[in-house]
Amino acid sequence: RKEVEQDPGPFNVPEGATVAFNCTYSNSASQSFFWYRQDCRKEPKLLMSVYSSGNEDGRFTAQLNRASQYISLLIRDSKLSDSATYLCVVIPILTGGGNKLTFGTGTQLKVEL
Amino acid sequence: DTAVSQTPKYLVTQMGNDKSIKCEQNLGHDTMYWYKQDSKKFLKIMFSYNNKELIINETVPNRFSPKSPDKAHLNLHINSLELGDSAVYFCASSHLLDNYGYTFGSGTRLTVV
Repeated sequence: RKEVEQDPGPFNVPEGATVAFNCTYSNSASQSFFWYRQDCRKEPKLLMSVYSSGNEDGRFTAQLNRASQYISLLIRDSKLSDSATYLCVVIPILTGGGNKLTFGTGTQLKVEL
Repeated sequence: DTAVSQTPKYLVTQMGNDKSIKCEQNLGHDTMYWYKQDSKKFLKIMFSYNNKELIINETVPNRFSPKSPDKAHLNLHINSLELGDSAVYFCASSHLLDNYGYTFGSGTRLTVV
């Protein structure tokens, strides 16, 4: 089983739609959770952190369910510019130091006119 | 000013050759990383250095040898290149205990022919 699993998509949605991505992780001792965005042929960039209490940043809402080891990302009112691959990222509890990002395979989103 | 810069951006080389990729960061971070993104777009950590010391060494063939002359530089040397080494290699940096300030370079696209 992969450490972080995501549906690869692609999710093709019309502009203005609401879309949700899910991610599960296997290491129950994981400490930090993020969503990253990667545009085609570019580097990954931090989109937002994920907390159990849920957090919102404009049209984006992220949620963590530690009991189910499940992370979600909701995008409301999709824009063409939201088209990208969304990467679920988990940082395990470390014993030797260093922030090892463990990535899911990514979910591809295509927003269409 | 580019925060994390990698050179070269593209590298095409023949099987069996030895090549190096260089990375420099001007963010004052104390920890640097190499990640590999394969043809299926899966991003996985290879190495991490903190203040020139190796702290993460994933299961990577010993043909790959990272070198950190100082905490602002982390180079990756690859001996006897194989077809399967073709991938995008991303350098990244952060402060050791800061999960949120991770910054990636723009990547080096390596093609082995």
